[in-house]
Amino acid sequence: DAGVTQSPTHLIKTRGQQVTLRCSPKSGHDTVSWYQQALGQGPQFIFQYYEEEERQRGNFPDRFSGHQFPNYSSELNVNALLLGDSALYLCASSLAVGGYQETQYFGPGTRLLVL
Amino acid sequence: TQLLEQSPQFLSIQEGENLTVYCNSSSVFSSLQWYRQEPGEGPVLLVTVVTGGEVKKLKRLTFQFGDARKDSSLHITAAQPGDTGLYLCAGASTSGSRLTFGEGTQLTVNP
Repeated sequence: DAGVTQSPTHLIKTRGQQVTLRCSPKSGHDTVSWYQQALGQGPQFIFQYYEEEERQRGNFPDRFSGHQFPNYSSELNVNALLLGDSALYLCASSLAVGGYQETQYFGPGTRLLVL
Repeated sequence: TQLLEQSPQFLSIQEGENLTVYCNSSSVFSSLQWYRQEPGEGPVLLVTVVTGGEVKKLKRLTFQFGDARKDSSLHITAAQPGDTGLYLCAGASTSGSRLTFGEGTQLTVNP
């Protein structure tokens, strides 16, 4: 039973560039949530995708956008990168049951460094 | 905005000691989850507590959810070096759609 997978594992970009991160959910899950974790802090919710639509969004600017595909995998795009976007980006998957999201399981994350 | 305050932020103890980590909020959560995270990896789920007053045990780890579902604690008995890691509590909203994380407790257990 494959868990949540993310790619790439590490990425180095320069300010102003754009980046795309990818996530495949755990088998049987239909919902993907993205979180940003700065060094020494807890993860912060970015947004969640279900049925190929953004369902909830945290306090992140429009530079952060996403997409969910029919196979439930997801992408996180960040435009006009800033130094402060350097962080571990975590993807979590879950299963929607009766309008409620069950427990979220996390992938290993993508470490993004913006220079 | 829901916030979770986790304490202590750092904890360094000797092998065999007991410890408790606290997670407090003024908000009610539908459930609360505890995760453990190793450097450079994603959080790994330890337990989910749902019912106010619920107590769950996982070997030497005991998790408790407050009666009002606003706070939780993690107690580790006879800590071992393998328990070293970042412990995160996370509260789920009523729909479970988003998790609000505490800042984490970095635990170091010295042999």
